[in-house]
Amino acid sequence: AQKVTQAQTEISVVEKEDVTLDCVYETRDTTYYLFWYKQPPSGELVFLIRRNSFDEQNEISGRYSWNFQKSTSSFNFTITASQVVDSAVYFCALSGRNNNDMRFGAGTRLTVKP
Amino acid sequence: DAGITQSPRHKVTETGTPVTLRCHQTENHRYMYWYRQDPGHGLRLIHYSYGVKDTDKGEVSDGYSVSRSKTEDFLLTLESATSSQTSVYFCAIRGSDEQFFGPGTRLTVL
Repeated sequence: AQKVTQAQTEISVVEKEDVTLDCVYETRDTTYYLFWYKQPPSGELVFLIRRNSFDEQNEISGRYSWNFQKSTSSFNFTITASQVVDSAVYFCALSGRNNNDMRFGAGTRLTVKP
Repeated sequence: DAGITQSPRHKVTETGTPVTLRCHQTENHRYMYWYRQDPGHGLRLIHYSYGVKDTDKGEVSDGYSVSRSKTEDFLLTLESATSSQTSVYFCAIRGSDEQFFGPGTRLTVL
């Protein structure tokens, strides 16, 4: 069975602080995909990143970075110099080889205060 | 913008009534999905489709049925709505490997 755990239910930071959102996953598949999505207060789901299980390279996109570690089954997301516009619920998700069985974590609500 | 629309965007209905939600895509994607979002659970897969008339169950399929008679439309039906089906419903399509989501439908069952 596949499972995603986002242990941080809510995080509050002050603008310009760095913040890391944790994601731990469980799977028996050797081929799998990991994702992060953002859900701003307006409610839509915005795709941020996809990583497959064979690519452990960390990725940086502007102020966003992702740390994928198979040894600890984690796929953590860091926002550097947070901004008020980063306030949202962030979901980590996992899907297996056939990519039709996406499992989401419960989400982490990030509030960035001015 | 992945060209996904959902209708209606909001609906209030009563227990025991049938409800159909529609997902429409404009980009001819083969795979389409229905999820529900509830507090504390993230999103959970209800059903998905891998082609016209080809569908399969997801994690929380009880009480729901789906149909796909055209590539562009994927319908989710609650045959007899219950209060436990009050939720926000998202449709998604699959691009190369990631899924792109529609705007969501907020359904309230009284």
